[in-house]
Amino acid sequence: DSGVTQTPKHLITATGQRVTLRCSPRSGDLSVYWYQQSLDQGLQFLIQYYNGEERAKGNILERFSAQQFPDLHSELNLSSLELGDSALYFCASSVASSRNYGYTFGSGTRLTVV
Amino acid sequence: GQQLNQSPQSMFIQEGEDVSMNCTSSSIFNTWLWYKQDPGEGPVLLIALYKAGELTSNGRLTAQFGITRKDSFLNISASIPSDVGIYFCAGQPLKGGKLIFGQGTELSVKP
Repeated sequence: DSGVTQTPKHLITATGQRVTLRCSPRSGDLSVYWYQQSLDQGLQFLIQYYNGEERAKGNILERFSAQQFPDLHSELNLSSLELGDSALYFCASSVASSRNYGYTFGSGTRLTVV
Repeated sequence: GQQLNQSPQSMFIQEGEDVSMNCTSSSIFNTWLWYKQDPGEGPVLLIALYKAGELTSNGRLTAQFGITRKDSFLNISASIPSDVGIYFCAGQPLKGGKLIFGQGTELSVKP
């Protein structure tokens, strides 16, 4: 158990629908990152939040949005889903420090759009 | 955006063989990290490097922070079937900010 909790683990939904993925960061970590990993692809950075505020944005589609709540958990909202959105979605968290100790990843949410 | 070049993209080796993979960047990094992702799981940190020239081992794994600060390599000695997975390098640019990840090296080990 990495300490980063993602729910649900699996999600199957139809095209056009909207889903919400949830992430609870490791205790004490203020930063949350969302990544998308499609089949045979690397980790595509979507967005970062730090202590409730958006810190960095990657190649996140306009149909996708995220937020980080006061208790530091984060949600990734995916709407108007398309078949190509099927992927593993990872959340990671990190501690604020002058030295980068790396990110701790959750075990992911596997989204299948049918 | 900034990218890391990770190679090779995939490797098929026999159990017991040694493995080497590397990452290069066009700019200087102040931190290099190596992760392993098992199938269906999230990446797990293997080794972290913080100084140019630093050589760090974790069991059969050895990684080095290149002296130019623009590259890093990971060696796995005497591979075993459970080494199968995707290995990612990641680095933090000198100016700070989020980690930049390589595209991954997929390792297959034949018993």
